[in-house]
Order: sequence, then structure tokens, then C-alpha cells
Amino acid sequence: DAGVIQSPRHEVTEMGQEVTLRCKPISGHDYLFWYRQTMMRGLELLIYFNNNVPIDDSGMPEDRFSAKMPNASFSTLKIQPSEPRDSAVYFCASSLRSLYNEQFFGPGTRLTVL
Amino acid sequence: GENVEQHPSTLSVQEGDSAVIKCTYSDSASNYFPWYKQELGKRPQLIIDIRSNVGEKKDQRIAVTLNKTAKHFSLHITETQPEDSAVYFCAAPKGEYGNKLVFGAGTILRVKS
Repeated sequence: DAGVIQSPRHEVTEMGQEVTLRCKPISGHDYLFWYRQTMMRGLELLIYFNNNVPIDDSGMPEDRFSAKMPNASFSTLKIQPSEPRDSAVYFCASSLRSLYNEQFFGPGTRLTVL
Repeated sequence: GENVEQHPSTLSVQEGDSAVIKCTYSDSASNYFPWYKQELGKRPQLIIDIRSNVGEKKDQRIAVTLNKTAKHFSLHITETQPEDSAVYFCAAPKGEYGNKLVFGAGTILRVKS
């Protein structure tokens, strides 16, 4: 398996633009997580899905952020409109059968909002 | 991370020495405690985890100990090597039903050769 796949790897955009981050989990994994990492706030869980259903979205910063998982092999994290403070590395991760099993992280998307 | 405190924030050791990183958690029902390693510019990767039915777990030079009474768990790295230099994160369950994993703020470990 290729592991968790994220795209794009780097994104530079201007304030106010819409940004869409994409993730393909490891085949067969039924949990999918979106994290944001910054120096100031560390590694924050934004939202996670189980069997494509959002379970906990309490970490989503505000209404500008939304996430979807239309099927077991694809998820998106959308920011609209983007702001400079959204600049961070966004990781997607997946795990098998339980929240309490190893999470396999993707390579991350480095987002810069100018 | 909320409710998971990690210390120290930075740790510098001489190659061959031991390194210890400690985390405390607040939810007494927590039962799963992983440690992740993140090298510079890379993704976090699980290095070891422990569940509440054991007090210690070892994997070569790495060990994790759990004290449920005191609600803390620690990562121990023996015979440190330069390739151990990285950021280490602990995590613990949180939430009404322990239904999310919260990460500590991370420890930057630097092994000097």
C-alpha cells in the first residue's frame, strides 16, 4: 500500500481564496483524521470520521472550515475564505478498526495564505 | 494539547545517555497512550504505545511506563543516538467517552555527538 496520500503537498494562496485539501486513506482503514500543526498550537485534531461519518468536529476552528468524506477512499478539508492565520501544515491520518490503534499520517500539506 | 501536559519542552543529551519525557493526563478513564516521533520536515510516526492493563512496555532502546494512580506516563530512550533527534509527542484519550485523542505539545530532543 502507498500509505496515506495527500494533495497538494504545498499550497500558496491569497487571503480570501478558497482552499481544498485532499486525502486518500490507507485502503481498509475506517477511521480518518484531519490535523493542523503550527509552532504556536502544536498538533491539533480538527475532525475525524468513522466509516465516512463525522464523529467529532469540535476542533474545527470556525465556520470557514468544512470537511467531507463522500466515500471510504477520499476526504476533503475546505477553507473558505482563507486567512493568513490558517497558514500551517495540515495532516491527514487513518487507522484501522479503532481510534486507539496506530494512526498512519500522510506527508502533510503545507498551506501558506498571503 | 488540552488536558495532556508534556515535559520538558526541549531536552538535550549527550550521545549514549538516556532521555526521559513525561506526560500527565486528566481523565482517569483513559486507557491508551501512544508516543509519536516526528523528524524535521516529516510526518509523525508511532514508535510505541501502551494500554492501561500493563505498567511498562519495551521495544529495544525504547520503553514506556504508565502510572495510572498518578495519571502520568513516560517515554524512556536508552543509549541515545543522533538519529533519535526529533520531536516526540505523547497522546491520551479525552472527551465524554474518551472519543478523541489529544496530543501533548511535544518535546524537542537533541542528541549531541
